[in-house]
This record gives sequence, C-alpha cells and structure tokens, in this order.
Amino acid sequence: KAGVTQTPRYLIKTRGQQVTLSCSPISGHRSVSWYQQTPGQGLQFLFEYFSETQRNKGNFPGRFSGRQFSNSRSEMNVSTLELGDSALYLCASSLMDSPYEQYFGPGTRLTVT
Amino acid sequence: ILNVEQSPQSLHVQEGDSTNFTCSFPSSNFYALHWYRWETAKSPEALFVMTLNGDEKKKGRISATLNTKEGYSYLYIKGSQPEDSATYLCAFRNTGGFKTIFGAGTRLFVKA
Repeated sequence: KAGVTQTPRYLIKTRGQQVTLSCSPISGHRSVSWYQQTPGQGLQFLFEYFSETQRNKGNFPGRFSGRQFSNSRSEMNVSTLELGDSALYLCASSLMDSPYEQYFGPGTRLTVT
Repeated sequence: ILNVEQSPQSLHVQEGDSTNFTCSFPSSNFYALHWYRWETAKSPEALFVMTLNGDEKKKGRISATLNTKEGYSYLYIKGSQPEDSATYLCAFRNTGGFKTIFGAGTRLFVKA
C-alpha cells in the first residue's frame, strides 16, 4: 500500500504570494490532518478534514485554509505569505475506525523570502 | 487550552544505557495518547497508540506506559543504540475533538 504523499517537497516563495500544498492520503483513509513545524516548535495543528468537511481548526490566521476532495486528497492554501510562514508542513492520514493512528507524509518544506 | 509537555527537552546517553522520557497531558476527556519517533529527514513514525488507563505497550527494546488519571505517559528505551537517536513525540487527543495536540518532543542522542 502506498504511503502518504505530499507535493511539492520543496518550495520557495516571496512575501505576499500565495501557495497551495497537496496531500494524498493512504488509500482508504478518509481523514487528513495538517501540521506546521517551525524551528524550535513542536508540530502545530492546522486543521483536519473528513469526508470533505473541516472538523476542527487550530489557532492560525484566516490566511491558512484547506479543503478535501471526494477522493480524500487534500490541499492547503496560504495566502499573502509572510516570512514567519517558512516551515515544514506535514499532512497525516488516518482511518475513521482506529483511535486516529496517523500516518505522516514526508512534508513540504516552504521557504518564504 | 490543551497543553502537552514533554521532558526532558533533550537527552544524551551512551550506547547500552537505558533511558526514559515523560509526556504530561490533560487528565480530563482523555481519548488516546500517541508516541511517535521522528528521525531527521524522515516522516514521524507511529510507535504506540494507547487508549486505556494502565496500558503498557512494547515493541522490541521500546516500551510505554499510560496513566490517564494523573495525565502522564512514560516511554522507555532499554539498551539504547545509536540508531535510536531521534526525536520522540507524544500526542494527545481528547474525546469529542478531532485535533491531535503534540508535545515539543524529546531529542535523544545516543553516542557509540
């Protein structure tokens, strides 16, 4: 079974631009969560989607948004990029019927200059 | 605000030493506690999912215990090896919520 995939793996953007990151979950997984990791910080929860619905959202500004498609693939969008948005963005997928054991993708490293 | 704390922040041990770390989490509305191992340049890898008070899990030289009433979990590594060097993360999920709160992790360095 293929693991969680994320594209692109690396990205460089300038302040003010917007970016879209993509996550394809493990086949059969319907829940996708997104996390941000910055230097010195743990994984910060962004949001979780299940069956195309956002079930919960972390404490991030409205510039961070996401969506999930009918095939469970998810995208995350960040508008009006700031230098502080430079981070590793990880997505994780899980089955609905487990205690939410999550399987992580390799991440997208975003650098904002 | 849900807070998950891990200690120590980092740990340096010699090969062969046994070691343990702590994860503290809210004791109310507990649903699950996860442990992950995160090696540099790789994805976090699930070690254990623990759901019941008193749970003990074991995988090779690594084991974990759970106390939901007092809100803590211990991760033990017996006979540390250099390949155990990684960041160990714990994550808490409460009932009714759909987000997982991670601790900042314990960075383990095992010297040969």
